[in-house]
Amino acid sequence: TQLLEQSPQFLSIQEGENLTVYCNSSSVFSSLQWYRQEPGEGPVLLVTVVTGGEVKKLKRLTFQFGDARKDSSLHITAAQPGDTGLYLCAGGRGSNYKLTFGKGTLLTVNP
Amino acid sequence: NAGVTQTPKFQVLKTGQSMTLQCAQDMNHNSMYWYRQDPGMGLRLIYYSASEGTTDKGEVPNGYNVSRLNKREFSLRLESAAPSQTSVYFCASSESGVGYEQYFGPGTRLTVT
Repeated sequence: TQLLEQSPQFLSIQEGENLTVYCNSSSVFSSLQWYRQEPGEGPVLLVTVVTGGEVKKLKRLTFQFGDARKDSSLHITAAQPGDTGLYLCAGGRGSNYKLTFGKGTLLTVNP
Repeated sequence: NAGVTQTPKFQVLKTGQSMTLQCAQDMNHNSMYWYRQDPGMGLRLIYYSASEGTTDKGEVPNGYNVSRLNKREFSLRLESAAPSQTSVYFCASSESGVGYEQYFGPGTRLTVT
């Protein structure tokens, strides 16, 4: 059972465009993280959100946790080629040390 | 700080051979994890260790064993490699209870022929 659904699966845009990727679930999560993975490397943590409705900004990236803590979005403003990579969301629940990962959104930003 | 380190970076095995993937972290984290990443399948948890001295199965443990050698080191062993174990393997660590944030190593790309 895939508990975290990410959409779109693939996204190819031009430099300067805005985009939003989504991470949805029917389950409630205690925390949700976003990671970016570049080819040949491990995922790198971008942000953690823990409160329903929380919004965090990281330069041109804006992350939002849904009010019900079942979904999240990542918005990138004025995308740059350096934003290219696989974006993964991951949710944590209760006292469980394990994370549930989505399958990711592969973003390509063309110059 | 090196963070999470993994060795080797690349490995080719023949079916039936065995090998151990090594992982070490220098962040004093309590929890450590082994994942495999395959195209279209995302990251799947193989085994994890919530704290030193404990290990538990994840989503896809068959064909693997693990050892939490000490707080820093967590190894993954393939006793008899199979082509289905061709994958990229990632080790991760986290400080328990802090939003479950995990920090990943650079990965080991394993091919079993």
